[in-house]
Amino acid sequence: GNSVTQMEGPVTLSEEAFLTINCTYTATGYPSLFWYVQYPGEGLQLLLKATKADDKGSNKGFEATYRKETTSFHLEKGSVQVSDSAVYFCALSRSNYQLIWGAGTKLIIKP
Amino acid sequence: ETGVTQTPRHLVMGMTNKKSLKCEQHLGHNAMYWYKQSAKKPLELMFVYSLEERVENNSVPSRFSPECPNSSHLFLHLHTLQPEDSALYLCASSQDPQGPYEQYFGPGTRLTVT
Repeated sequence: GNSVTQMEGPVTLSEEAFLTINCTYTATGYPSLFWYVQYPGEGLQLLLKATKADDKGSNKGFEATYRKETTSFHLEKGSVQVSDSAVYFCALSRSNYQLIWGAGTKLIIKP
Repeated sequence: ETGVTQTPRHLVMGMTNKKSLKCEQHLGHNAMYWYKQSAKKPLELMFVYSLEERVENNSVPSRFSPECPNSSHLFLHLHTLQPEDSALYLCASSQDPQGPYEQYFGPGTRLTVT
């Protein structure tokens, strides 16, 4: 069946460090892939998306590339800030209404 | 108001109370969702409505009762809850439930059952 696997957190980094949060998926067909972010005390916000193989989604300095050959959609940012501290969720969509969610990765950025 | 709004933001209720959570979307979307988010658990999809018709009910206990009077409003009626129902309840909407469209979330209602 369809599933999403994210690296376990928390991930703790210093400000200005390079960030990678791994996400791999299993799916039939060609799902769309998403990264959502949840800041403390808030709901989930769409961070970026990619709808087909080799697409690169980007937003607020974050990037992720849809790699069909490795079934991955890793989230990267070149220089993180304290304000990036949040929980990050990887998700895929099937052809119907459901999103399949990863467990979330908590990111802590220390000044 | 823009996006997806939820009220109340916080709710404390006893196990014998009856309360309702409200969600409103201002995006012109056709589908609305209720999720439950508990600590250290994956996000759980509870209910999905498409054009005011329920299309998904993921084995949710009957003490949770959804209502979708129109495509902009969604309610979750609560009664005789258990302490393990304490969680963050998130509402979301999407343009079309049949497409691979992203979902837009409200800020959630933090529910505590005492």
